[in-house]
Amino acid sequence: QVQLVESGGGLVKPGGSLRLSCAASGFSFSDYNMNWIRQAPGKGLEWVSSIRGRGSTIYYADSVKGRFTISRDNAKNSLYLQINSLRAEDTAVYYCARPRLGWYFDLWGRGTLVTVSS
Amino acid sequence: DIQMTQSPSTLSASVGDRVTITCRASQSISRWLAWYQQKPGKAPKLLIYEASTLESGVPSRFSGSGSGTEFTLTISSLQPDDFATYYCQQYNTYWTFGQGTKVEIK
Repeated sequence: QVQLVESGGGLVKPGGSLRLSCAASGFSFSDYNMNWIRQAPGKGLEWVSSIRGRGSTIYYADSVKGRFTISRDNAKNSLYLQINSLRAEDTAVYYCARPRLGWYFDLWGRGTLVTVSS
Repeated sequence: DIQMTQSPSTLSASVGDRVTITCRASQSISRWLAWYQQKPGKAPKLLIYEASTLESGVPSRFSGSGSGTEFTLTISSLQPDDFATYYCQQYNTYWTFGQGTKVEIK
């Protein structure tokens, strides 16, 4: 079954860190760029980060640059997002998403909720 | 950065209505635009890509048009399952989403 399953979210204090994971199955993971996209409660979608299939090229949104690190382990069919120096405005559901041809997102996970609060 | 602006933010309509949502880009994005539907508590679902190409399995009442900086998503006859929030997304330069349009029951 083709799917993405995120995990690792939770309640974290401001300034804290968290590592999100996304387990992929049912497709050739290493052939695809992968992305993280987030959605704050009641708000719209915000692209966060992208990594090429072999991990050679990485992009970040300006809002997370320097605090978030995307990585992948193709042997484990897994995508990761290390998020540091968390702020209240990072509170969101974080989705793992696969882009078709590298551009528009045809496969999404269910998301994992990150809540930053003291 | 390319900004995407959708209008309206909220749209009230009845079953059977023709509904049109507009998405404007801050600079030309050719036809590199996708539309998504999202229901509460669910991940977005791809409806249309390359401005007007219908994703497999999406009902033909959905259609997209436009190029450059102005795009539209049209639902020809609104069905009960279509009440949701719709997002446009450019993929000309990185990825940017519009702020969303909520289609609610009138």
